Amino acid sequence: DTGVSQDPRHKITKRGQNVTFRCDPISEHNRLYWYRQTLGQGPEFLTYFQNEAQLEKSRLLSDRFSAERPKGSFSTLEIQRTEQGDSAMYLCASTAQDRGEETQYFGPGTRLLVL
Amino acid sequence: AQKVTQAQTEISVVEKEDVTLDCVYETRDTTYYLFWYKQPPSGELVFLIRRNSFDEQNEISGRYSWNFQKSTSSFNFTITASQVVDSAVYFCARLTSGTYKYIFGTGTRLKVLA
Repeated sequence: DTGVSQDPRHKITKRGQNVTFRCDPISEHNRLYWYRQTLGQGPEFLTYFQNEAQLEKSRLLSDRFSAERPKGSFSTLEIQRTEQGDSAMYLCASTAQDRGEETQYFGPGTRLLVL
Repeated sequence: AQKVTQAQTEISVVEKEDVTLDCVYETRDTTYYLFWYKQPPSGELVFLIRRNSFDEQNEISGRYSWNFQKSTSSFNFTITASQVVDSAVYFCARLTSGTYKYIFGTGTRLKVLA
């Protein structure tokens, strides 16, 4: 399977704990995106990387959130001191921007529940 | 903000009926892209179609067809002879050329009843 993969698929944590999610994009894609989706809403942009550089962060991404893509391949999204409002689906997407390909291909998401 | 509006929150149809999902977008850009994605219960967003702003030609792919009209800023999606497997949430999205983040609508939940 050469699609975008995310791990874990589900995460339940207690308020105040830290969590980390991983995304593996399609191998030749140099742009990687993170979105958050809450119940009944469309995905909202959080941040994106071109290779290893993080080029944009949404105001939705508070100081408790950090994302990395250290070698320009997989990416991690960490949430520190989780709050109940962080409960959502976290989606990762990738695209091969340098081929003029604008379509973003999404992974299955990580569903986070903060108790 | 330049929104994408999907006014239909939920639609229920009986199998084999045709159904149209509406999408209206706002933009001041001349070059942009429009997309439809399907989100089944598993959660993954499945890409269905992309149109660029210069191509108003309607498209048909099997039971799916799309009607893009710049004059009304609409990009509607029709499923012909719907099937139970079509049940999902469908999202319309917009992307301005040269940018990187999609603006999604709130989605339309389609329930196809056997």
